[in-house]
Amino acid sequence: DTAVSQTPKYLVTQMGNDKSIKCEQNLGHDTMYWYKQDSKKFLKIMFSYNNKELIINETVPNRFSPKSPDKAHLNLHINSLELGDSAVYFCASSPLGQGDYGYTFGSGTRLTVV
Amino acid sequence: DQQVKQNSPSLSVQEGRISILNCDYTNSMFDYFLWYKKYPAEGPTFLISISSIKDKNEDGRFTVFLNKSAKHLSLHIVPSQPGDSAVYFCAASAWLVTASKLTFGTGTRLQVTL
Repeated sequence: DTAVSQTPKYLVTQMGNDKSIKCEQNLGHDTMYWYKQDSKKFLKIMFSYNNKELIINETVPNRFSPKSPDKAHLNLHINSLELGDSAVYFCASSPLGQGDYGYTFGSGTRLTVV
Repeated sequence: DQQVKQNSPSLSVQEGRISILNCDYTNSMFDYFLWYKKYPAEGPTFLISISSIKDKNEDGRFTVFLNKSAKHLSLHIVPSQPGDSAVYFCAASAWLVTASKLTFGTGTRLQVTL
């Protein structure tokens, strides 16, 4: 039973399309995150939600919109996809608390924009 | 502005020997430091963490050392095993009132040879 699951695992789409990535966690964690790993393998935070409330919103184009219907789900919707959006997107969750709690990551969604 | 740096992109070590992975940071406000391990096509997996008020934390074959004055931490794996071959990410945590934010380094690929 996967702790943090993302769908789809692979996504190939054309420029200009709109796509969504879904994430669900069954760990009972309060906080969920979206991270982006670019071509240089740099893992960078995009968003964080705590119990459905947006608490971290890094400098991300507003074409990216996270949505959290409940604390177990955090979806990422991307409008008007661009070539530079190609990356691996990781969802993660953690208990509410100090940073010594390791995040639990999903296995990633590899997005390729052509 | 890369606040967490791993200057060695790769490291090769013989089985049974010690692996030492290094990480440098610039932000004095980080309160925890963590190491993650990542296999291909999987998400990062939490390995070990250390509080900024400590200088050493040990968990089985894994030990993390923190030198605050040098803003440097290292992960020691003794003895190294072939299953340790993976990409290791250093991460630093900053508490943002309602959540922690992890900043990652770019990773070091460890290969343990027979």
